Amino acid sequence: EIVMTQSPATLSVSPGERATLSCRASQSVNSNLAWYHQKPGQAPRLLIYGASTRATGIPARFSGSGSGTEFTLTISSLQSADFAVYYCQQYNNWPLTFGGGTKVEIK
Amino acid sequence: QVQLVESGGAVVQPGRSLRLSCAASGFTFSSRYAMHWVRQAPGKGLEWVAVISYDGSKKNYADSVKGRFTISRDNSKNTLFLQMNSLRAEDTALYYCARGGNPLDYWGQGTLVTVSS
Repeated sequence: EIVMTQSPATLSVSPGERATLSCRASQSVNSNLAWYHQKPGQAPRLLIYGASTRATGIPARFSGSGSGTEFTLTISSLQSADFAVYYCQQYNNWPLTFGGGTKVEIK
Repeated sequence: QVQLVESGGAVVQPGRSLRLSCAASGFTFSSRYAMHWVRQAPGKGLEWVAVISYDGSKKNYADSVKGRFTISRDNSKNTLFLQMNSLRAEDTALYYCARGGNPLDYWGQGTLVTVSS
């Protein structure tokens, strides 16, 4: 199974600042990589798929990049609604696997 | 709008069975879309559990549930199921259904399964 590793585990950021989250796959997943965020008590929400395509309704401050084994999610200017846990997920191989998550918290 | 509503979660003893349901609306359930179950243990991350193709002909499972869980769907009732047998303490989690060939573009709010004696 492909192991997805996210870093850092926790990211402390001030509102308005930029946040950069990393995700690494144990083997190539091509561009078959999605990002989700999850707020407390809520279901995950799809943000990015195909490594860099924003899902419907996702604002432009969210951007994804990378391919193969190294991926990045960037939030250009954090807003209060963005403080959450972020997960990457590969869908190149079965079983589907998720990273352990990065918690983005208010600094 | 797309809605997925899970039900069937409960407190059950180890070794017992439980059947979860996910009622879908707002899209054509019987065409194009595979459906998944994903679970989240308390305070933990996300773990993919199972997937079924749009017509039910193909299924795949995580190793942790293979042989114990069965995913199915009734396209006439727009409903997804997860039959869980031989439940273990480590199956305790919030179970989400999610739509998607790939990725998982819509998720329900989850139903809680607690396995405890």
